[in-house]
Order: sequence, then C-alpha cells, then structure tokens
Amino acid sequence: NAGVTQTPKFQVLKTGQSMTLQCAQDMNHEYMSWYRQDPGMGLRLIHYSVGAGITDQGEVPNGYNVSRSTTEDFPLRLLLAAPSQTSVYFCASSYSSGDTGELFFGEGSRLTVL
Amino acid sequence: GQSLEQPSEVTAVEGAIVQINCTYQTSGFYGLSWYQQHDGGAPTFLSYNALDGLEETGRFSSFLSRSDSYGYLLLQELQMKDSASYFCAANSGYSTLTFGKGTMLLVSP
Repeated sequence: NAGVTQTPKFQVLKTGQSMTLQCAQDMNHEYMSWYRQDPGMGLRLIHYSVGAGITDQGEVPNGYNVSRSTTEDFPLRLLLAAPSQTSVYFCASSYSSGDTGELFFGEGSRLTVL
Repeated sequence: GQSLEQPSEVTAVEGAIVQINCTYQTSGFYGLSWYQQHDGGAPTFLSYNALDGLEETGRFSSFLSRSDSYGYLLLQELQMKDSASYFCAANSGYSTLTFGKGTMLLVSP
C-alpha cells in the first residue's frame, strides 16, 4: 500500500548541477503532476501528465523537464540547478475519471541549491 | 491567470467552530478542493465541491458558490490535532490545481 513514493527525500546541489527527482505510484492513476512549495506560498504546478507519453507545462515549468514513459513513473529533471530552485517538491497522482480534485501526494523531496 | 485568496492565519480554541474563507479568480473552473498540511508533511485531501452547496465529511464541511466565486471550509468540534495549514485549490481540469497561499490554523486548549 505504498501510494506515491518520492526519492530522494533530501538533496543538496551546487549551482549548475543537474539531478532527477523520482516519483512512482502504484494506484494505476492516469494523472500525475509535480508541484513546488516555497515558504509562505501555496503549491505551484510545474508539469503534469494525463497519461503515458503525454506531458504539459504548468504554472512554473522553466528549468524543469519531465517525461512519462510508463503509467507508474513521472520523474522531474532539473537541468541546471539554480538557488531559486531551492524548494520542497511534491509529486501527486489522481484518478482520471470524475476529476474529483483529489490528489494523492508523496511525502516530498527537499532540495537545497547552493 | 488564476488566483485564490484566503486568510493567512486563524486562531480558535478546542471545541469551537472555525470557518476558513476562500475567494477565487480563475478561468476554466471545475471545482474547489481543500487540503490539510501539517508542518513538514504532505498535503492531504479533505473535500471537493464541483457544484454549489454544502458537502459534509464528518467534522469538516465545505461550501461553494460559483456565482460569488467563493467557498469556505468549516471545521467543527476543533481538536488540537487540527492545528495545521489549510489550502483551498481551484481545479482547472485534469486535476491540475491552483492553490491559495494557505491558512494557518492554531488551536489552543
């Protein structure tokens, strides 16, 4: 009964480095998305996917890349890390039918860019 | 663009009732969700209103008025464990949500 699993939970990067945040869900959800949360802010949508092979940009996509080769996995790539990308990143998934506004979130990945 | 406004902080005592309001300006609005987030944790879903009216789930209720672009979350019989941040979020379709900045609820004995 894993739900949405994110790795790593914590990461420190230097400016200019790249890395991938992993996200996997075992609920056979079609919809998956990535959000970032900064202090005093709500969550902001980075990228989302409505199914394998289909991705689209959210509100703050610059500096991030995604792909969806399987239903289960939705990795988020930081191309050239910048201090402005220091944040907590949440992956989420949801049912496609009914569009109930209910997202299932992972526990978050806390990223610091120095 | 889309924006949601909610109070930054609300305080209440155990056993009381508290209402957290949310006004929104969005395009392509499908409904309003509410999430709870304890410090350092993941957001957890509380309720969703796609239609006007009141939805009740145990001690929590949520209301939506599409004509007023307004909703609220009502928490009854407050408990200490309800101290958390609460977010309203507008669904723009495909479960892509635009979140408000959150309301920190402090429940005191």
